[in-house]
Amino acid sequence: QVQLQESGPGLVKPSQTLSLTCTVSGGSITNGGYYWSWIRQHPGKGLEWIGYIYDSESSRYSGTTNYNPSLKSRINISVDRSKNQFSLRLNAVSAADTAVYYCAREDGGLLSRGNYYYGMDVWGQGTTVTVSS
Amino acid sequence: DIQMTQSPSSLSASVGDRITITCRSSQNILNYLNWYQQKPGKAPKLLIYGASSLHTGVPSRFSGSGSGTDFTLTINSLQPEDFASYYCQQTSSTPWTFGQGSKVEIK
Repeated sequence: QVQLQESGPGLVKPSQTLSLTCTVSGGSITNGGYYWSWIRQHPGKGLEWIGYIYDSESSRYSGTTNYNPSLKSRINISVDRSKNQFSLRLNAVSAADTAVYYCAREDGGLLSRGNYYYGMDVWGQGTTVTVSS
Repeated sequence: DIQMTQSPSSLSASVGDRITITCRSSQNILNYLNWYQQKPGKAPKLLIYGASSLHTGVPSRFSGSGSGTDFTLTINSLQPEDFASYYCQQTSSTPWTFGQGSKVEIK
């Protein structure tokens, strides 16, 4: 059973770079053709999709990323296959980036009535990041 | 971006009640609509995808319906473990967007 675990600093200074890692256990990050995603939740608020990276051993589309345009200029999501991890880097952070950050596995092959759908079916427990000097 | 609007934002109900949460999208998303449950301090869990298909292991008292721009999540015979927040999410086009959430509280 695949499990995800976020790690990284809980406190980041304004204007610096937030770096988080999600370690995948119980399965290889390259098996199954999943989308490895980041989502955040501001204190007491709803969920915001940050972006994903697609990885698959057998696909020429491996490494494809898709980012939220609201954050696109500041983010980078990458995969480290050797460590079975994927990572988020968010540059030039401000207090508005204070949030709980979740990593998740997104399955684009959820079958229903002959069609395939996307859904985030495995989540990490979340890590709180505070931006403050 | 596609805007997702849920109602109500919160509701009080009793164990055994039947409740309905509504989600409306700002444009036609066919049935590319998911529902998640989130308990305090925990990560969300996928309940329903494709507007009406139950994810593996989700109890049958949960059901979803709708297409186009209007969707509903229904919980029949509310159980103590169902008191939580619920979010809809569209996966018709990126950026994926979520509703603001609906909190189900004990009456």
